[in-house]
Amino acid sequence: DAGITQSPRHKVTETGTPVTLRCHQTENHRYMYWYRQDPGHGLRLIHYSYGVKDTDKGEVSDGYSVSRSKTEDFLLTLESATSSQTSVYFCAISEGQGRHGYTFGSGTRLTVV
Amino acid sequence: DQQVKQNSPSLSVQEGRISILNCDYTNSMFDYFLWYKKYPAEGPTFLISISSIKDKNEDGRFTVFLNKSAKHLSLHIVPSQPGDSAVYFCAASEGPSGTYKYIFGTGTRLKVLA
Repeated sequence: DAGITQSPRHKVTETGTPVTLRCHQTENHRYMYWYRQDPGHGLRLIHYSYGVKDTDKGEVSDGYSVSRSKTEDFLLTLESATSSQTSVYFCAISEGQGRHGYTFGSGTRLTVV
Repeated sequence: DQQVKQNSPSLSVQEGRISILNCDYTNSMFDYFLWYKKYPAEGPTFLISISSIKDKNEDGRFTVFLNKSAKHLSLHIVPSQPGDSAVYFCAASEGPSGTYKYIFGTGTRLKVLA
């Protein structure tokens, strides 16, 4: 989607290395989310942010940290990558709380070898 | 524990026929539901929504039905087209009593045969 971009689109990394994925939005939306998609599990929430420097954990947050120093950027860091973190990662943005759906980015395919 | 379940991993339908995708949930506090469609190598895109105060919402070929007593919703696509072939996710959220975060199901892969 034009208002939200993820980088990189693909990455291969070695076990034990730190990895940072970036989500950038131009919509000035307050809420940003990181999900991972895995076969048999659908989309699972890792972390989300409800404002600059305001973040909270999702259902699968172990091994991940996030930072949001600007409205437009939401970073997801795998502190020490493991093979179980091989996945497709999606960032999403939301206009606000309430009855707004999410707009998703195109995803980052991460492979940990 | 999966609060939103899509028990059919895949579904094949003939072009022009009806596609029915099902979704069950366990949390009675969910009050808003969405369906997303996802093509390979792309992010999910919003399709249709329904509030718990309604039992049906229609948008063109897409209709979502909600049965609150059964904690069940379904997405009907009529008529199905080859371009509808994708993975469909349902999602649910709690309203003012919750955090508005959406919980997603595991997805159903729809294949529309020409």
